[in-house]
Order: sequence, then structure tokens, then C-alpha cells
Amino acid sequence: AQRVTQPEKLLSVFKGAPVELKCNYSYSGSPELFWYVQYSRQRLQLLLRHISRESIKGFTADLNKGETSFHLKKPFAQEEDSAMYYCALKGRNTGKLIFGQGTTLQVKP
Amino acid sequence: DADVTQTPRNRITKTGKRIMLECSQTKGHDRMYWYRQDPGLGLRLIYYSFDVKDINKGEISDGYSVSRQAQAKFSLSLESAIPNQTALYFCATSDPGFNNGYTFGSGTRLTVV
Repeated sequence: AQRVTQPEKLLSVFKGAPVELKCNYSYSGSPELFWYVQYSRQRLQLLLRHISRESIKGFTADLNKGETSFHLKKPFAQEEDSAMYYCALKGRNTGKLIFGQGTTLQVKP
Repeated sequence: DADVTQTPRNRITKTGKRIMLECSQTKGHDRMYWYRQDPGLGLRLIYYSFDVKDINKGEISDGYSVSRQAQAKFSLSLESAIPNQTALYFCATSDPGFNNGYTFGSGTRLTVV
């Protein structure tokens, strides 16, 4: 079965501190992993996808198939990074996105 | 103009009432989805449609129905609303490519009293 787990409901850090939002998945096959971000009162936006191996707004995420993880990282958090972050998985056979429970990132000044 | 438009933005309705949430998209995508968002539960898939003639149940379809009126329009109905359907509802659309993400609407905040 497809499953995405984000173990932290809330992650609170100070500005300039490193950030790591955890995501673990369960899928028997080769999934496509995504991170979405939802700023206050805004729609969900695609932040990055593992296939692109890109850095967006200073965030990166590496797919670790051995640990079935796709953690989101940023070396120096900014206050404008405060938002809800969702990890999501798309199975090759289903085409559907399955989301984790979400983690609220709070960056304090 | 937004790529994915949801109406209404907010709605308060009474238990037992029928209500329809509407979604339209200008992306030209075949695939459309309805999710609900609840605190601590993330987004859960209600229904999805890969083209106009294709409708599929998601993980939490009980109490909901959908209609795909055209490629650009996908409506979600609550036949007899109940309080635990109070949530934020999102519509999304995507291209069929495996590596493509979804484009989401702004959401409809529904309160059932």
C-alpha cells in the first residue's frame, strides 16, 4: 500500500538555523516524490520534485530508497519559510498523489 | 486569472442539506481531483477523474458524489451534509505525465452546522 508519513506536526526553529522536515514513504516500486508548500491563506504550491534534483528557495530534498525517505532540508531558515509543508507520493501505476499529514514550519525571529 | 477556480470560497450549511462545490480549470488537463484537508490528517483523496468519461473513488468517497460536466469542470456534491464533513476542500488538476505535479485551486471552506 502507498503511504506517506511526516512524523512531526510542528517544527519550530529560529531564523538562520538549519531545517529538516522528515518524510518517510511506503511503496513497492519506484515512486515519484514531491514536496508541496501552503503559505497562510494560500493554495498548495509545488515546491520541488525528486526527479528534478533542484533547489527551490534554498530547499533541497534527496530520495533515499534504502531508508525510504525524502527529507526536506534548508541550511538557513528564513521567516518567510513559515508555512505548512506536505510530502506527497505518486505511484507509477495509479497516477494519484498521496499526501502525508503535513508539518507546520514556524521560523521565529 | 487563476488556473484552477473553486466556488464558493466559503460556505456554511445545515445538516441534511445538499450542497455542491464547483471547480473549473483553464490548464487544458484531462485529470482532475477532489481532496479534503483536515488538521493532523493532511489531504485525503475523495474522487478523481482521468477524463470526462472516467470517475473513480478515492480513499474517503462515502457521503460524496461527483460530476465531470466537461474537461474543464468537476463538481463535488454532498448529498446530505453532516458536521464531520466540515473541512477545507481542494480541487486539483494535472497532466498525465508521471513526473508532473498537481495545480491546486484556492480551496472551499465548508462548515456544516
